[in-house]
Amino acid sequence: DAGVIQSPRHEVTEMGQEVTLRCKPISGHDYLFWYRQTMMRGLELLIYFNNNVPIDDSGMPEDRFSAKMPNASFSTLKIQPSEPRDSAVYFCASRPGLGIPNTDTQYFGPGTRLTVL
Amino acid sequence: AQSVTQLGSHVSVSEGALVLLRCNYSSSVPPYLFWYVQYPNQGLQLLLKYTSAATLVKGINGFEAEFKKSETSFHLTKPSAHMSDAAEYFCAVSSGGSNYKLTFGKGTLLTVNP
Repeated sequence: DAGVIQSPRHEVTEMGQEVTLRCKPISGHDYLFWYRQTMMRGLELLIYFNNNVPIDDSGMPEDRFSAKMPNASFSTLKIQPSEPRDSAVYFCASRPGLGIPNTDTQYFGPGTRLTVL
Repeated sequence: AQSVTQLGSHVSVSEGALVLLRCNYSSSVPPYLFWYVQYPNQGLQLLLKYTSAATLVKGINGFEAEFKKSETSFHLTKPSAHMSDAAEYFCAVSSGGSNYKLTFGKGTLLTVNP
């Protein structure tokens, strides 16, 4: 398997612009997670989905952030409008469903490094 | 609620020396514990995990960790450091069961000197 795929790997944008980050989970995984990593706050869980349904979005910082999972093989994290403090590395991770081997393990993508000027 | 504390944001060792990265956790239920490694400009890779089976867990690249309930610790060790071990290491805790939300520590950057 190719692992979790994220695009783009790097994004540079100007304040106020819309940013869309993309994630393709490992095939067959039922859970998908979005994290943000910064020097100040470390790794924070933003939102996670189970079978394409958002389960917990309590980590989403503001209404400017939204995430969707239209099907089992694709998810997006959108920031509109973007601000300089959104600059971070955003990771996507996926996990097998209950009853599947390694169901307790999250597999991470390579991340998207976002810079908002 | 659960939390993780990693003692030492930066650990420096010589090649061939013992590696010890410390992790203490807080959890109101029996925890599942994980160590992940992050190489520069890469995602996180699972090193090892404790999920209520054997308390001494062996992982990849010669790393191991011991779950000590009385000390609420899950320290990561490796007998002999290699240059290729230089990376950032994250300890994480979850409450297990059907809830596998991970709470991560702040990370420890390991430097290996020749």
